[in-house]
Amino acid sequence: DIQMTQSPSVLSASVGDRVTLNCKASQNINKYLNWYQQKLGEAPKLLIYNTNNLQTGIPSRFSGSGSGTDYTLTISSLQPEDVATYFCFQHNSWPLTFGSGTKLEIK
Amino acid sequence: EVQLVESGGGLVQPGRSLKLSCLASGFTFSNYGMNWIRQAPGKGLEWVASISSSSSYIYYADTVKGRFTISRDNAKNTLYLQMTSLRSEDTALYYCAAGGVMDAWGQGASVTVSS
Repeated sequence: DIQMTQSPSVLSASVGDRVTLNCKASQNINKYLNWYQQKLGEAPKLLIYNTNNLQTGIPSRFSGSGSGTDYTLTISSLQPEDVATYFCFQHNSWPLTFGSGTKLEIK
Repeated sequence: EVQLVESGGGLVQPGRSLKLSCLASGFTFSNYGMNWIRQAPGKGLEWVASISSSSSYIYYADTVKGRFTISRDNAKNTLYLQMTSLRSEDTALYYCAAGGVMDAWGQGASVTVSS
């Protein structure tokens, strides 16, 4: 099974900061990597699919990059409404696996 | 508007069974693979099972294989998860999600396994 490791587990940043969240796969996942945002009490929402494709309706301050085993989600200018937990997810091979999440807080 | 509405959750004793449903609307259900994902209280997301658009391909997480069955009725725009031999560790909010990239999610059905 492919293990997905996210870092950091908690990130505290200020409004306007550029923020980078990391996700590392235990083997090559060929860019089949999605990012989901989950706000408290809500269902997850797809932000980025297949490494760098912005889902419709998602603000352009969100972007994704990476290849092989290493992937990142970047928020170019952190906004108060971005407070959430972010999960990476690989759909390269079965079983599908999620990372354990990065909780993003505002300083 | 795409909508996924889960139902069928509840409190069940260990060893018993429960069947979840997910009613889809706002898209052509029969064209899309579907998924079940769960989230234990205060924990992360765990993929549970997936089914292709025509039910030709079905996959399960090892934690539920042999106990859970995913199925669909394209005529009724409905996805199912039959859960048997339930354990306390199956306690979670169960989400259905549409498509290979899971771009639409329901609000979840709560399942509590406890005596």
